[in-house]
Amino acid sequence: SQTIHQWPATLVQPVGSPLSLECTVEGTSNPNLYWYRQAAGRGLQLLFYSVGIGQISSEVPQNLSASRPQDRQFILSSKKLLLSDSGFYLCAWKHSQETQYFGPGTRLLVL
Amino acid sequence: AQSVTQPDIHITVSEGASLELRCNYSYGATPYLFWYVQSPGQGLQLLLKYFSGDTLVQGIKGFEAEFKRSQSSFNLRKPSVHWSDAAEYFCAVGAGGAQKLVFGQGTRLTINP
Repeated sequence: SQTIHQWPATLVQPVGSPLSLECTVEGTSNPNLYWYRQAAGRGLQLLFYSVGIGQISSEVPQNLSASRPQDRQFILSSKKLLLSDSGFYLCAWKHSQETQYFGPGTRLLVL
Repeated sequence: AQSVTQPDIHITVSEGASLELRCNYSYGATPYLFWYVQSPGQGLQLLLKYFSGDTLVQGIKGFEAEFKRSQSSFNLRKPSVHWSDAAEYFCAVGAGGAQKLVFGQGTRLTINP
């Protein structure tokens, strides 16, 4: 069966520091991968999605970037964090069945 | 552009009572529709989905949803809620070639004992 992992689970970072969040999927190949952000008390906002290695689509202009160095690995990065980057970051994968399955999330607090 | 509206930000029901969470969508074609549930600090779990066919869809944990094209709605129902159903519920519509999901703002469900 397929599983999706995210780490770290929680992260506290100072403003201006770099960021790297990792998402990996097991048990499938060539999935679509997605990064969402959920601000406190808000819905989910799609940040990036990828349909293949090295293929990244950005949904909103921002301080973040994404990369897909391997088929089942999706990384969310920033060179300099802002206070507004705080939130709950969710990774998801999708295959041919059209349903997205979500990871456990990473809670980021920027101070 | 696609959009999803969940009119109720917060709903409180008594344990054992029936539940209906509302969802309205805007989409130009036949939509793919989803309901997810999120417990505090957790990821999202799929409750049910509608792609085509029977407009009444059964999901996990005793939930069901009905797709009504004429009303652009996909309301979630449960005949008798349990305390463990307290969570945040999100309706979503699948959009675009990569089937990006557009989410509603969510409805927080509180259960009174």
